[in-house]
Amino acid sequence: NAGVTQTPKFQVLKTGQSMTLQCAQDMNHEYMSWYRQDPGMGLRLIHYSVGAGITDQGEVPNGYNVSRSTTEDFPLRLLSAAPSQTSVYFCASSYQTGSLYDEQYFGPGTRLTVT
Amino acid sequence: AQKVTQAQTEISVVEKEDVTLDCVYETRDTTYYLFWYKQPPSGELVFLIRRNSFDEQNEISGRYSWNFQKSTSSFNFTITASQVVDSAVYFCALSEARTGANNLFFGTGTRLTVIP
Repeated sequence: NAGVTQTPKFQVLKTGQSMTLQCAQDMNHEYMSWYRQDPGMGLRLIHYSVGAGITDQGEVPNGYNVSRSTTEDFPLRLLSAAPSQTSVYFCASSYQTGSLYDEQYFGPGTRLTVT
Repeated sequence: AQKVTQAQTEISVVEKEDVTLDCVYETRDTTYYLFWYKQPPSGELVFLIRRNSFDEQNEISGRYSWNFQKSTSSFNFTITASQVVDSAVYFCALSEARTGANNLFFGTGTRLTVIP
């Protein structure tokens, strides 16, 4: 198992550009999520998905879109990048959803800089 | 309102000293989970421990121990005989059954530096 993979590892964008951060898992996990990590802020939930075709907003969803067309993939889209989106992005996945927690696996992160 | 508070932004200790990292949480849910993660300089997140709200037993794992006290809404983490390899940022996190048990609320982290 490759676990949770994220691409790219590093990315520099100019303000207004768009891009997609990729996240994939090969563990047949139902639940997937995206977090951003900013200095002094900890990690904050952007969007999450409890299964293919189902997504929902987290704590800081503005400026980001997601979709879940397959169980394996959960891409995060920045339609018009802003300097405030400079951050490290982590993807996570786990087996179960709902009221029972299950072990979460985090990807290695993508460091994004918007100039 | 901040659900998880880690009041210690940075801590420095000399190797072999004991150190306790504080975590205070806030929730109205009766079913919740508490976590500690380690983020070494390489940047990945390393899972350390999970506790659910119905299990207040303290836990010891090698040099690590955790003290969960519902009465004070705290879930503190102690490293005994610290080592240089313990230098990292440590995050406490909370998830609540009512908002999705897999959705984590992280504290702002405590940067621990162990000086040789």
